[in-house]
Amino acid sequence: AQSVTQLGSHVSVSEGALVLLRCNYSSSVPPYLFWYVQYPNQGLQLLLKYTSAATLVKGINGFEAEFKKSETSFHLTKPSAHMSDAAEYFCAVSEAGNNRKLIWGLGTSLAVNP
Amino acid sequence: ETGVTQSPTHLIKTRGQQVTLRCSSQSGHNTVSWYQQALGQGPQFIFQYYREEENGRGNFPPRFSGLQFPNYSSELNVNALELDDSALYLCASSFATGGTDTQYFGPGTRLTVL
Repeated sequence: AQSVTQLGSHVSVSEGALVLLRCNYSSSVPPYLFWYVQYPNQGLQLLLKYTSAATLVKGINGFEAEFKKSETSFHLTKPSAHMSDAAEYFCAVSEAGNNRKLIWGLGTSLAVNP
Repeated sequence: ETGVTQSPTHLIKTRGQQVTLRCSSQSGHNTVSWYQQALGQGPQFIFQYYREEENGRGNFPPRFSGLQFPNYSSELNVNALELDDSALYLCASSFATGGTDTQYFGPGTRLTVL
């Protein structure tokens, strides 16, 4: 069965510092992987997705993620944090097939300190 | 092009009542997925509708039911509400291609059961 583990429920960085949010997955077949961001009292916005093309995926707002099959990881990074990046970040996995439901991690809350 | 919309934004019900939540999919999309997000948790897949037919269901009891209409909008119905049904209900639409089928989310409906 698929599962997603996000290490660290809360991450705090200083403005301008590197952001690293960790995601590990388990899947019996090559997965599709996603990062979504959720601002308070809002829905989920797609940041980026991995679809078995390039292993380094660039997304919106300066975020990127690298798919590492050997480590079953898909960590999200941003070189320089901005105050507006403070939000909840979710990693999700799905498999190709008839029902491409998303399986989600528990989320990581990112705080950015001035 | 309009995005995914959901109504109502907030809803308060009492235990045992029934509720209907509505979702309008993004233009051109033929698939709608519903998720339940409890406070502090990642979303949980409820079910998905593809061209008006249920196309997969998560681990939710039969009192959670849904519909998809010819215009691909959708409803989520919950009967005999329980306190644990209090959550943010998210609708996501996508266009089924057999590939990654990126899901785009609405802002959610916050349901409170008293």
